[in-house]
Amino acid sequence: RKEVEQDPGPFNVPEGATVAFNCTYSNSASQSFFWYRQDCRKEPKLLMSVYSSGNEDGRFTAQLNRASQYISLLIRDSKLSDSATYLCVVLTNAGKSTFGDGTTLTVKP
Amino acid sequence: NAGVTQTPKFQVLKTGQSMTLQCAQDMNHEYMSWYRQDPGMGLRLIHYSVGAGITDQGEVPNGYNVSRSTTEDFPLRLLSAAPSQTSVYFCASRQGPGWSSGNTIYFGEGSWLTVV
Repeated sequence: RKEVEQDPGPFNVPEGATVAFNCTYSNSASQSFFWYRQDCRKEPKLLMSVYSSGNEDGRFTAQLNRASQYISLLIRDSKLSDSATYLCVVLTNAGKSTFGDGTTLTVKP
Repeated sequence: NAGVTQTPKFQVLKTGQSMTLQCAQDMNHEYMSWYRQDPGMGLRLIHYSVGAGITDQGEVPNGYNVSRSTTEDFPLRLLSAAPSQTSVYFCASRQGPGWSSGNTIYFGEGSWLTVV
């Protein structure tokens, strides 16, 4: 079993739709959690951190459930520019960072 | 702002050749990592370092060596290139322990390696 598993996707949604991605992790020593966005043939870039209390940044909402060991990302009112691959990342304070395989989102007109 | 700099950006190797991918960061980050990303796949951790003189293996370390003689540099060496090592390689760095809520991972732009 992989340490970090994501919804396999791909997700194809119309503009304006709401879409949610889930990610589970197996290492209970995991300390920090993030969502990254990766555009085709580019390096991943930070989308948002994920906190136990949940956090929101405009149309994006991230949540963490430590008891069930999963994190989620909700995108509301999808835009064409949201089309990308979304990676969840789990960090331990021992220095190790593990990425999920990513979920590809395509937003269509 | 330089951030994380990787070189070369593109490289073609023959099977059996060795080479070094260079990575440097100018943010005084303690933690550095190397990943590979195959087509349609996520990033897999090759090696990582939590400080100068300290390295550890990730998920797919075989065929690669690393060293961390300075805080700034973290080169990745391919010992004897194989076609299975054809991939995109990303170097990354972050400030320190994973529990910091501001602990963003910064990536280089990637190195495209083809082994023929």
